[in-house]
Amino acid sequence: DTGVSQDPRHKITKRGQNVTFRCDPISEHNRLYWYRQTLGQGPEFLTYFQNEAQLEKSRLLSDRFSAERPKGSFSTLEIQRTEQGDSAMYLCASSARDSFNYGYTFGSGTRLTVV
Amino acid sequence: RKEVEQDPGPFNVPEGATVAFNCTYSNSASQSFFWYRQDCRKEPKLLMSVYSSGNEDGRFTAQLNRASQYISLLIRDSKLSDSATYLCVVGREKLTFGTGTRLTIIP
Repeated sequence: DTGVSQDPRHKITKRGQNVTFRCDPISEHNRLYWYRQTLGQGPEFLTYFQNEAQLEKSRLLSDRFSAERPKGSFSTLEIQRTEQGDSAMYLCASSARDSFNYGYTFGSGTRLTVV
Repeated sequence: RKEVEQDPGPFNVPEGATVAFNCTYSNSASQSFFWYRQDCRKEPKLLMSVYSSGNEDGRFTAQLNRASQYISLLIRDSKLSDSATYLCVVGREKLTFGTGTRLTIIP
């Protein structure tokens, strides 16, 4: 499978716990994006990487959120001290820099429920 | 004002009808335009790119008006399988998504 892979698919956690999600992009894609989507809304941009460099972070990404892409391949998104408002689908997408006109390919997402 | 605005619907349309969705965007510097389709509890998938010259893919036609900052999607001869949420997407370095328009095709 050469698509974008996200793990886990589902995560239920207690408020205050830390969670970490992983994304493996399409191998030849050097851009990787994280989005968050809540019910009835479109995906909201969180952050993106070009190779290992984090080029932009949304103001939605509070201090409790951190993302890394250490070797320019897979990426992790960590949420510390989770809150109920963090419950959402977290989507990862990738693209090749020169293929911006072709849009992104999304992974299946990680659905987070904070109880 | 939201960067990308769409009518959230829902649109309930009989099978075989033609349906049109509209979208406006606020950033005149936007360079890339798309329609994505999202099925319930699934990830968004690229439906088609949108160009000023207009483009067609089977029953789907998309159009961009840069002067009015307006994007449209037309679906002809709608099928039950077209039921989904349609997301208008605009961007430069990153893509910004509208809230989506929910479409249900009724048998």
